[in-house]
Amino acid sequence: GAVVSQHPSRVICKSGTSVKIECRSLDFQATTMFWYRQFPKQSLMLMATSNEGSKATYEQGVEKDKFLINHASLTLSTLTVTSAHPEDSSFYICSAREGGDTEAFFGQGTRLTVV
Amino acid sequence: GQNIDQPTEMTATEGAIVQINCTYQTSGFNGLFWYQQHAGEAPTFLSYNVLDGLEEKGRFSSFLSRSKGYSYLLLKELQMKDSASYLCAVMDSNYQLIWGAGTKLIIKP
Repeated sequence: GAVVSQHPSRVICKSGTSVKIECRSLDFQATTMFWYRQFPKQSLMLMATSNEGSKATYEQGVEKDKFLINHASLTLSTLTVTSAHPEDSSFYICSAREGGDTEAFFGQGTRLTVV
Repeated sequence: GQNIDQPTEMTATEGAIVQINCTYQTSGFNGLFWYQQHAGEAPTFLSYNVLDGLEEKGRFSSFLSRSKGYSYLLLKELQMKDSASYLCAVMDSNYQLIWGAGTKLIIKP
């Protein structure tokens, strides 16, 4: 299957700082990327969907000014958690899909801890 | 509204067979996925069904009935490493994935 690389895998940051998470498709062009967060023992929660070259579509309840998503190229999308607070601590996962293909491939996930 | 239902937790014995069910009600249907997720890791793809019937892949099989809005994942010859959460997801008419809450499978020796 296709490979999606997500970096970093773990990050600890201080409250009030910003953290950027990268998601790269290594061997295919990701026209659509999805960002999820997952709390312990809970299912994936879709935060936003981004298509290359256009603004991300955020799910209801997700603050777009706090979770900045950039999908500037067909192989890279970034999620920036701005002014992070302890309640933003979570597991963030990206997935990517190529064109009309229905299968989405997941990155390894990023464990964010805000202290 | 859109809804995916699957059991919260199941327990099975090493070497046995277990079936994890998933029922769904979604706006349109463009396929059903099963993913495996170990604790602290991202999900990994197991299977994709878009037509009715059984798809077999090694020890894992997935079944779909679109008329009943029903799928199951069948795991044979269970191994301890199969202990994980199993996520059912349906792609709706907008090609968005609707996720179930996952079934935690516990394998006992």
